[in-house]
Amino acid sequence: SQQGEEDPQALSIQEGENATMNCSYKTSINNLQWYRQNSGRGLVHLILIRSNEREKHSGRLRVTLDTSKKSSSLLITASRAADTASYFCATTEVQGAQKLVFGQGTRLTINP
Amino acid sequence: NAGVTQTPKFQVLKTGQSMTLQCAQDMNHNSMYWYRQDPGMGLRLIYYSASEGTTDKGEVPNGYNVSRLNKREFSLRLESAAPSQTSVYFCASRDGTSGRNEQYFGPGTRLTVT
Repeated sequence: SQQGEEDPQALSIQEGENATMNCSYKTSINNLQWYRQNSGRGLVHLILIRSNEREKHSGRLRVTLDTSKKSSSLLITASRAADTASYFCATTEVQGAQKLVFGQGTRLTINP
Repeated sequence: NAGVTQTPKFQVLKTGQSMTLQCAQDMNHNSMYWYRQDPGMGLRLIYYSASEGTTDKGEVPNGYNVSRLNKREFSLRLESAAPSQTSVYFCASRDGTSGRNEQYFGPGTRLTVT
């Protein structure tokens, strides 16, 4: 079964607004990653946050991690039409090999 | 530097036919992975290879086999295709030696089994 559950499943906003996506997971993790997938393409890594970090920034992206609630959020500020894509969270468990377990994704649409 | 490449891009098979999906990476990464993605779903791990010479099952290995041919190449074989294997297949690789855990994905193979 999949580790992550993402919320919302779909999000539609106006260009320039901020977009927030949430991810919850079930087991203890080593790190959590966010990926973007444009329609019909492979996934592209956006940002990684380790289990001992609470917040991380990369350009217009801000990721938070709350290990006590087993949840993470991805904030995209000042959205652009090019941000239209599906966004997936993926976790790496503490034990075992470095395998990623993906959530079902949030489909983000930025309206011009 | 092409990154991760996959062939073919598209394939249609009849039930019972076999085929091999090819994947290669030119980043000298140690680990390689095969995922499938079904409509509206995230990716599910089929098999992975933590390093050259090793392979292990992922979440959904039934009906598939893999070969880590060398450090660059990791192939996925469907011995007897079934309609339930209609999906988009992604290969990925990861460095694993520098503490960086991000995976790099190929463009995918869209497989239809009729």
